[in-house]
Amino acid sequence: DGGITQSPKYLFRKEGQNVTLSCEQNLNHDAMYWYRQDPGQGLRLIYYSQIVNDFQKGDIAEGYSVSREKKESFPLTVTSAQKNPTAFYLCASSIDRVSLNTEAFFGQGTRLTVV
Amino acid sequence: KNQVEQSPQSLIILEGKNCTLQCNYTVSPFSNLRWYKQDTGRGPVSLTIMTFSENTKSNGRYTATLDADTKQSSLHITASQLSDSASYICVVSAGSRGNKLVFGAGTILRVKS
Repeated sequence: DGGITQSPKYLFRKEGQNVTLSCEQNLNHDAMYWYRQDPGQGLRLIYYSQIVNDFQKGDIAEGYSVSREKKESFPLTVTSAQKNPTAFYLCASSIDRVSLNTEAFFGQGTRLTVV
Repeated sequence: KNQVEQSPQSLIILEGKNCTLQCNYTVSPFSNLRWYKQDTGRGPVSLTIMTFSENTKSNGRYTATLDADTKQSSLHITASQLSDSASYICVVSAGSRGNKLVFGAGTILRVKS
């Protein structure tokens, strides 16, 4: 089955630790995205990548880092510099970020909690 | 500033009843508008996508409308089922190439038996 997979589903982090969220897709999509979802708010873009070895900051990139070494993978690292990391994180992919009818397919999300 | 406002914030209806969710946007230049359904703790799943030239699109019991002049969209759910309980998110693509997505906060729908 083609799809986009996020892991783990739940993640707990101690203050001061870096953690990495995994996102893998086998849809052969060029573009991949990371969003953060907080209660009562719309999804906010953290980082996006349109092609391998290239990525761009979104609206709330501070305290986060990404890499895109393979087309299929776009891991997100939440660093200790992110002061309020507790949230639901969603990864998405699409064929081409510039198409008028581009549809984004989402993973099942990772819920990160700082303990 | 590009914004997407959804109403109501939450809604409770009885199984079998119809309901309509609203989405108003101030996004320019407009490219397309999508409605997503998000079950609790899951990723959003696309229901419909409409460009500025389309004013109605259906997907089973879901019918979306778009008025590009008033910058309003609605999602009508017919004969609701318990499985319709979810958050419904309106997403507008901005930019001349539709390459910036602006998300609404969503409407939480609960269908009761």
